[in-house]
Amino acid sequence: DAGVTQSPTHLIKTRGQQVTLRCSPISGHKSVSWYQQVLGQGPQFIFQYYEKEERGRGNFPDRFSARQFPNYSSELNVNALLLGDSALYLCASSPRAPPTDTQYFGPGTRLTVL
Amino acid sequence: ILNVEQSPQSLHVQEGDSTNFTCSFPSSNFYALHWYRWETAKSPEALFVMTLNGDEKKKGRISATLNTKEGYSYLYIKGSQPEDSATYLCASPGQGAQKLVFGQGTRLTINP
Repeated sequence: DAGVTQSPTHLIKTRGQQVTLRCSPISGHKSVSWYQQVLGQGPQFIFQYYEKEERGRGNFPDRFSARQFPNYSSELNVNALLLGDSALYLCASSPRAPPTDTQYFGPGTRLTVL
Repeated sequence: ILNVEQSPQSLHVQEGDSTNFTCSFPSSNFYALHWYRWETAKSPEALFVMTLNGDEKKKGRISATLNTKEGYSYLYIKGSQPEDSATYLCASPGQGAQKLVFGQGTRLTINP
């Protein structure tokens, strides 16, 4: 079975632009979570979706939004990009919602904001 | 605010030696404790999910213990090999159990 896939792998944007990152979960997984990871820190939770509904949101500004589609894939959108948004964005899927389900991570999208 | 902390931040170990490191988390409203291994240029890989106080889990040369009353978990690696070089992350669910809060990781380097 295919693991979690994310696209694109790398992305370069300029300040003020908007970006959309995509994630396809493992087949049969209904929960998708998004994390931001900057160098030297652990992943920071952004959103969790389960059965197409937002179940959790981290301490990120309203410029960050996400959605989950009927096939359980997900998009993360970031508007009005700032230099500080440069990071690795990880998507993780699980059969159900956390906290006890193992999270299966994708390879991430590396976003660079210039 | 849930703080998950890991120590040490980095560790250098000779091949063949055993090692261990710590994850600390608030003991109140405990749900679960996750351990992940993250090798460079790869995706984080799940090692263990632990829920019961006193639980001990093992996967090959890697094992973990859990103390929910005092809020800590230890990860042990026996007979370290170069392929064990990675960042080891622990995580515990935050408020409302709707999100995982990760520690900053322990970066392990095995010297041949």
